[in-house]
Amino acid sequence: QVQLVESGGGVVQPGRSLRLSCAASGFTFNTYRMHWVRQAPGKGLEWVASILNDVSTKYYAGSVKGRFTISRDNSRNTLYLQMNGLRVEDTALYYCVRGSELDPWGQGTLVTVSS
Amino acid sequence: QSVLTQPPSASGTPGQRVTISCSGRSSNIGSNIVNWYQQVPGTAPKLLMYSTYQRPSGVPDRFSGSKSGTSASLAISGLQSEDEADYYCAAWDDSLSGWVFGGGTKLTVL
Repeated sequence: QVQLVESGGGVVQPGRSLRLSCAASGFTFNTYRMHWVRQAPGKGLEWVASILNDVSTKYYAGSVKGRFTISRDNSRNTLYLQMNGLRVEDTALYYCVRGSELDPWGQGTLVTVSS
Repeated sequence: QSVLTQPPSASGTPGQRVTISCSGRSSNIGSNIVNWYQQVPGTAPKLLMYSTYQRPSGVPDRFSGSKSGTSASLAISGLQSEDEADYYCAAWDDSLSGWVFGGGTKLTVL
């Protein structure tokens, strides 16, 4: 079955960096666009970034543009999110999501930015 | 402030029909399909409706979607206790070149 397993979250100080990973299985990874969507504690969903199958086409939310980089390794069936210059407001559960319909979603990895 | 506007809460009794609205702009709902997601607290969101009107396999036909102009709606008929969850609408926004979500609607089954 389709599985998306995020990892790499943790507690980090403002201004530091973190890299999230999402291991995909159960489908042909290189045929799907992939996304990161986050949810701050007690808040709604916020799209963060998307990457198409071609690897080079990427889209970012204005709140993370210039700080976050989405990438993928189709040979490893893995999606990444490099997060630099982290801010307190980046604290959230980060979900890895598949495809044009944004389905399915992983269970998420928690990023806490705090001094 | 979310780009798509949803009521923060909705409620109904078992068996009732409830509707959740989602208001946007010409650059998102007005020109693209709408998806709906259901999130039970403590779990990941689940796709409930895609391409505005389509139900993924396994989603009961009690759920239906519609769209008119720059607004979309999710209707739930024959409300059941297990429908109690948060519901989010989403659409691609051509001006922002990104996905936009509604702020979410908390559905309570009384």
